[in-house]
Amino acid sequence: EAGVAQSPRYKIIEKRQSVAFWCNPISGHATLYWYQQILGQGPKLLIQFQNNGVVDDSQLPKDRFSAERLKGVDSTLKIQPAKLEDSAVYLCASSLGTGGEAFFGQGTRLTVV
Amino acid sequence: GENVEQHPSTLSVQEGDSAVIKCTYSDSASNYFPWYKQELGKGPQLIIDIRSNVGEKKDQRIAVTLNKTAKHFSLHITETQPEDSAVYFCAASFSGSARQLTFGSGTQLTVLP
Repeated sequence: EAGVAQSPRYKIIEKRQSVAFWCNPISGHATLYWYQQILGQGPKLLIQFQNNGVVDDSQLPKDRFSAERLKGVDSTLKIQPAKLEDSAVYLCASSLGTGGEAFFGQGTRLTVV
Repeated sequence: GENVEQHPSTLSVQEGDSAVIKCTYSDSASNYFPWYKQELGKGPQLIIDIRSNVGEKKDQRIAVTLNKTAKHFSLHITETQPEDSAVYFCAASFSGSARQLTFGSGTQLTVLP
């Protein structure tokens, strides 16, 4: 089966610019996660969706980050405006349900200069 | 919230030797403990997991042990091979209505030929 698809793979932007990442989960997976992985650290959950509803966004910096999952399939994560400390790999993961194994995409490496 | 500490941060072993990575967690309610392997430029991939009703689980050369009383769990890799070289992450979660993983900081394992 096809894995979790993410695009773009790499993105370089200047601070205060905006950026968007796209994720297409494994077909049939109801649960979708966005994680932020800063270099040298483990992934940190930003937001979790169940179908098109938000389950948890308590760690999402809502003043600059937003995410949506219209129609309960693919999802976009947006940062506006970006800060230097947003430089990280943004990982999307999906699972069949809330209790299933999470499968990760390759991630989008964001560099803010 | 949950806090997961992982040691060591780097580990070098000779091919054929064993490798052990240890993690401790803080939330006694956590009951699911997966281990992920992340190769360069890729997303984390689940290699083994254990639930709190089990003390040990083995899959070929990989084993995980869990001590709920002490709130720590370990990954054991025997007969290491160069292709085992990667970053390994432990994680913990409570599988209530949603499974949200808290990751450790990672261990860079290098298997020397």
